[in-house]
Amino acid sequence: AQSVTQLDSQVPVFEEAPVELRCNYSSSVSVYLFWYVQYPNQGLQLLLKYLSGSTLVESINGFEAEFNKSQTSFHLRKPSVHISDTAEYFCAVTQAGGYQKVTFGTGTKLQVIP
Amino acid sequence: EAQVTQNPRYLITVTGKKLTVTCSQNMNHEYMSWYRQDPGLGLRQIYYSMNVEVTDKGDVPEGYKVSRKEKRNFPLILESPSPNQTSLYFCASSLQGAPTDTQYFGPGTRLTVL
Repeated sequence: AQSVTQLDSQVPVFEEAPVELRCNYSSSVSVYLFWYVQYPNQGLQLLLKYLSGSTLVESINGFEAEFNKSQTSFHLRKPSVHISDTAEYFCAVTQAGGYQKVTFGTGTKLQVIP
Repeated sequence: EAQVTQNPRYLITVTGKKLTVTCSQNMNHEYMSWYRQDPGLGLRQIYYSMNVEVTDKGDVPEGYKVSRKEKRNFPLILESPSPNQTSLYFCASSLQGAPTDTQYFGPGTRLTVL
């Protein structure tokens, strides 16, 4: 079985400050890792994902996440946040092999303060 | 435009009155899934479908039914809704249901059962 832990339910941060949203996972087999973002009153959409290769993955809007196998983590970072980044962020994991059984974390609400 | 649509977006009903939430995708995806989102619990999978006429239970299937008669549609049926099914529901689809696939989400249906 797999699990995902997002310890921070809410993260307030001032505009233009850096932010890190934490994600840890547990799995007995190889995993693929995802970050999804949910803007207010919308469905989730993919922000970035790690499948293989370089452990650092980037999104088109300045977020990045690093896969750390030894620490079983996939933290999301942005060096300078904008008001428009206010949203809820979900870390998710799937296991190699089999079908797409996605396990989501409980989400972290990022509140960017002007 | 590639999208997943859900209807209705908002629904208030009473205990025991059967309802159906429709879901449709125009991306020719094989895999479709239903989730419910509850505060502090993240997204939990209700049912999924790997292809037409192939459906299976997710983590929280009790009280729900689904059908997949056409590739593009995946309705969620609550035959006798109860207040504990008050939640935000999301339909999602992906290309083949592979663990590396990105999921595409609908805008959500907020259901209240009185």
